[in-house]
Amino acid sequence: HVQLQQSAPGLVKTSQTLSLTCVIFRDSVSNNTAAWNWIRQSPSRGLEWLGRTYFRSRWNNDYSISLKSRITITPDTSKNHLSLHLDSVTPEDTAVYYCARETLGAFDVWGHGTLITVSS
Amino acid sequence: SNDLTQPPAVSVSPGQTATITCSGDNLGTKFASWYQQKAGQSPVLLIYQDNQRPSGIPERFSGSNSGNTATLTITGTQALDEADYYCQAWDSNAAYVFGTGTQVTVL
Repeated sequence: HVQLQQSAPGLVKTSQTLSLTCVIFRDSVSNNTAAWNWIRQSPSRGLEWLGRTYFRSRWNNDYSISLKSRITITPDTSKNHLSLHLDSVTPEDTAVYYCARETLGAFDVWGHGTLITVSS
Repeated sequence: SNDLTQPPAVSVSPGQTATITCSGDNLGTKFASWYQQKAGQSPVLLIYQDNQRPSGIPERFSGSNSGNTATLTITGTQALDEADYYCQAWDSNAAYVFGTGTQVTVL
């Protein structure tokens, strides 16, 4: 079955860039029937969709409007993974970050989650 | 902010039926999905496209969606169904949104 392995938890300083990777096992980031998403969860904001990347003849990205100026999601076909970069973080970005596969409009495979704490 | 509203908590006796609602503008015109999340774990997909169950999800979980409300029903609730439940749909702002979450307690 498909598995998603996320990078380790960590501390990011305020105003710096949060970077995470999600390695895909037993599927392909280029799968043209799936999309690869980042979702985060915090007590204050609940579950929040951040954005996605997907391949349909060419690479496409969709991002949450509230994060569009700060977020980049990038696929890497050679490593079969996707990356998340979130610029200019604040303590409000403290959360558990998940990568998830999307098929048929739902998230059917989730990574184990990575706790990111933003602090000065 | 969340555009899908759920009751914060639902209590149910073992063997009884639990009903969890998810309300949003014209939600019935979109596909709704449901997830179960147990403490310390990642969410698990229970229902997609309003009423479809992925392979391996027990039949006691069912879904419906009409008007402004999607509903998750757990028939014959078991102690192991105690968890948080979230709805999710595609929003008109070209984004996915999740519900506020419902904690189900099996008394």
